Amino acid sequence: SQTIHQWPATLVQPVGSPLSLECTVEGTSNPNLYWYRQAAGRGLQLLFYSVGIGQISSEVPQNLSASRPQDRQFILSSKKLLLSDSGFYLCASWQGLAGGPSSYNEQFFGPGTRLTVL
Amino acid sequence: GEDVEQSLFLSVREGDSSVINCTYTDSSSTYLYWYKQEPGAGLQLLTYIFSNMDMKQDQRLTVLLNKKDKHLSLRIADTQTGDSAIYFCAEKFGSGNTGKLIFGQGTTLQVKP
Repeated sequence: SQTIHQWPATLVQPVGSPLSLECTVEGTSNPNLYWYRQAAGRGLQLLFYSVGIGQISSEVPQNLSASRPQDRQFILSSKKLLLSDSGFYLCASWQGLAGGPSSYNEQFFGPGTRLTVL
Repeated sequence: GEDVEQSLFLSVREGDSSVINCTYTDSSSTYLYWYKQEPGAGLQLLTYIFSNMDMKQDQRLTVLLNKKDKHLSLRIADTQTGDSAIYFCAEKFGSGNTGKLIFGQGTTLQVKP
């Protein structure tokens, strides 16, 4: 089964500073990877997804960007953070379920990075 | 468009049943999921239902899907204090290990002793 690592676990940054959040995946190859943001008291918003190295799709236009430099690495970046970028950032990939239907996959999440922009 | 709605808060007493509701607008989804998020943690899959099913039971959890009304519910029997968390419903669009999930806002379940 897969393991998703996210780094760092928590981060406090001033407005206008750059950002780099890292997601790495173990136990699978060529995963489709996703970045979600959960703002305080709100649901999950899909930000980016990637189906392969160098391939990024953006769901929501904003001051964030994503990159996929390696098969199992997904990076979320910003050149200048805004207060509204504060939130809980989750990386995810699809995973099949042992013993489940062959068509079934579940979105499997990493532990998240809590970002506070001051 | 794709939109998923949930009530934001539910409070129950320990031992009672909890019912968390979810409505959605796009009926072309393939699977629907329930995730649980404990404070400060990522999301943990609780259960799922295929879009052509009406009901699924998994130990204390019962999922009901009403496709006509586009309504999904999660019933937790004999709710325990450890069930206190945020519960998200989600629709999957697309197949296999592609596609995307659209999440509801999450329902905070508070279980009182």
